[in-house]
Amino acid sequence: EVQLLESGGGLVQPGGSLRLSCAASGFTFSNYVLTWVRQAPGKGLEWVSGIVNNGAGTFYADSVKGRFTISRDNSKNTLYMQMNSLRAEDTALYYCVKGRDSSNWFGDYWGQGTLVTVFS
Amino acid sequence: EIVLTQSPATLSLSPGERATLSCRASQSVGSALAWYQHKPGQAPRLLIFDASYRATGIPARFSGSGSGTDFTLTISSLEPEDFAVYYCQHRNNWPLTFGGGTKVEIK
Repeated sequence: EVQLLESGGGLVQPGGSLRLSCAASGFTFSNYVLTWVRQAPGKGLEWVSGIVNNGAGTFYADSVKGRFTISRDNSKNTLYMQMNSLRAEDTALYYCVKGRDSSNWFGDYWGQGTLVTVFS
Repeated sequence: EIVLTQSPATLSLSPGERATLSCRASQSVGSALAWYQHKPGQAPRLLIFDASYRATGIPARFSGSGSGTDFTLTISSLEPEDFAVYYCQHRNNWPLTFGGGTKVEIK
């Protein structure tokens, strides 16, 4: 059974940092692309970042480019998101999403999310 | 950036009725479009990928069509569990984007 378990969310002041983690199991982690998707309170889904299966390619939404860094450790079956210079508008539930294969970015499995709240 | 516009924003229907949801892209995405269902307190669920292929375990009442810039998700006969918010997403180029969503509510 595929499982994605996010952690690392919490309360942080503007300008602060957080590191999200997503522990994966139930599939061959290194064979799949992964993404982070977020949902701000009362808003729709927003794609945040993606990483290819070997970690060599990363992609970002303009809203987070230069502040967030996605990475993965295939030996630990874990996806990360380093979030720096956090802003109030980064407040959201952050989902870890598994792609359908090594090149198809559509998410066939999603975690339950970890909540990030940026407050002043 | 490709903008996906979903319509209508809200669809009020009764169980058993047919639902037709639209997603329009600001430029061609070929067939690189997916549909997701999202219920409160749950993770989104992939329904349709690459415009018309049902994901694993998705009932046949869900179907997707379209290519280029105009796409449709059809639910042939609404079941009580189908009332939710539906999003489209493309994977044609970077950044990937989602549409704003269509809420299917009980009339």
